Amino acid sequence: LAKTTQPISMDSYEGQEVNITCSHNNIATNDYITWYQQFPSQGPRFIIQGYKTKVTNEVASLFIPADRKSSTLSLPRVSLSDTAVYYCLVGAYNTDKLIFGTGTRLQVFP
Amino acid sequence: SQTIHQWPATLVQPVGSPLSLECTVEGTSNPNLYWYRQAAGRGLQLLFYSVGIGQISSEVPQNLSASRPQDRQFILSSKKLLLSDSGFYLCAWSGGSRGHNEQFFGPGTRLTVL
Repeated sequence: LAKTTQPISMDSYEGQEVNITCSHNNIATNDYITWYQQFPSQGPRFIIQGYKTKVTNEVASLFIPADRKSSTLSLPRVSLSDTAVYYCLVGAYNTDKLIFGTGTRLQVFP
Repeated sequence: SQTIHQWPATLVQPVGSPLSLECTVEGTSNPNLYWYRQAAGRGLQLLFYSVGIGQISSEVPQNLSASRPQDRQFILSSKKLLLSDSGFYLCAWSGGSRGHNEQFFGPGTRLTVL
């Protein structure tokens, strides 16, 4: 399984766009990139998944460059409720297991 | 719709005592099931996963064990708890329309070993 590297923490203010970058230099050809969000005392929640280029849903966008060695989760106009830990995971589609790292702790200030 | 249940929600146990945490899933069949542990302020550690009844894969050597007696039931056990077993235990399932990359987590059990 490809290892991922993310910043330990990030700070932002309400209304700003937040971009969290994840490095995965050893990503395999059949690996997908998946992001989860976790609030305190809750289990993680799936946000978005992609293989290449750009994926967008109602919550976030995921940008993946052509070499796929990194990816960026973009949260538009964050609010206080977006304060959470964000995990980047890499693994084959339909893999039997996912490996969660330590994630990025995002703190949004008023 | 699918739901996942865990109990108990909180548990305080003395060192050396046994442990049994239960997880059940409703509204789906033949899911993959997972047990994770999260220490305070840390990331999630995958402990066990199961792709079917009686099939258990262990990710970390430890004094914990898991069993899957039924398709939608996953149990985490220990014969003798250690202080280091304290943490937030999360059960998850996968197998929906997005495949196994999307896992759905239960509410968790917060275990304190004294």
